[in-house]
Amino acid sequence: AQSVTQLDSQVPVFEEAPVELRCNYSSSVSVYLFWYVQYPNQGLQLLLKYLSGSTLVESINGFEAEFNKSQTSFHLRKPSVHISDTAEYFCAVRTAGGGSNYKLTFGKGTLLTVNP
Amino acid sequence: NAGVTQTPKFQVLKTGQSMTLQCAQDMNHNSMYWYRQDPGMGLRLIYYSASEGTTDKGEVPNGYNVSRLNKREFSLRLESAAPSQTSVYFCASREGNYGYTFGSGTRLTVV
Repeated sequence: AQSVTQLDSQVPVFEEAPVELRCNYSSSVSVYLFWYVQYPNQGLQLLLKYLSGSTLVESINGFEAEFNKSQTSFHLRKPSVHISDTAEYFCAVRTAGGGSNYKLTFGKGTLLTVNP
Repeated sequence: NAGVTQTPKFQVLKTGQSMTLQCAQDMNHNSMYWYRQDPGMGLRLIYYSASEGTTDKGEVPNGYNVSRLNKREFSLRLESAAPSQTSVYFCASREGNYGYTFGSGTRLTVV
């Protein structure tokens, strides 16, 4: 079985400050890793994903995450946050490959609140 | 716009009532999923359908049933609603190595 631990349930920061949202996973097989973002009263949107290749992946709005296999981590970072980044962020893992019965397992989420 | 459509968006039920949550996707994806989201719990998988004609239990299937009506549609049924089923329900679909595409959710309250 796979599991995901998001180490912080809430992260308050000031605008233009850097932020790191931590995610650790557990799996006995190779995995794909994802970060999803959920804005208030909306569904989940894919922010970025790691499938293979470069361990550093980036999103179009300035977030990045680094896959660290030895530490089984996939932390999300942004060097300077905006008010509009306020949202809940979910880390997720699934078995690598295209198997149709592979399922996403989510962490419990981290609420990022950006204050002026 | 292509995506996953869920109906209804909001619903209030009395304990013991039944209802069906509808989900349809127009991306020709094979796999579809139902999750529930509760505060502090993240998203938990209720049921999934790896392909048309197949369904399997997820992490929290008790009290629910599903139907994969065709490749596009995957419905979730509550036969006898309970207050513990008050939640936000999300449907999602996937194809290959791409990430899941989620619907906008159904907010269900059972009183």
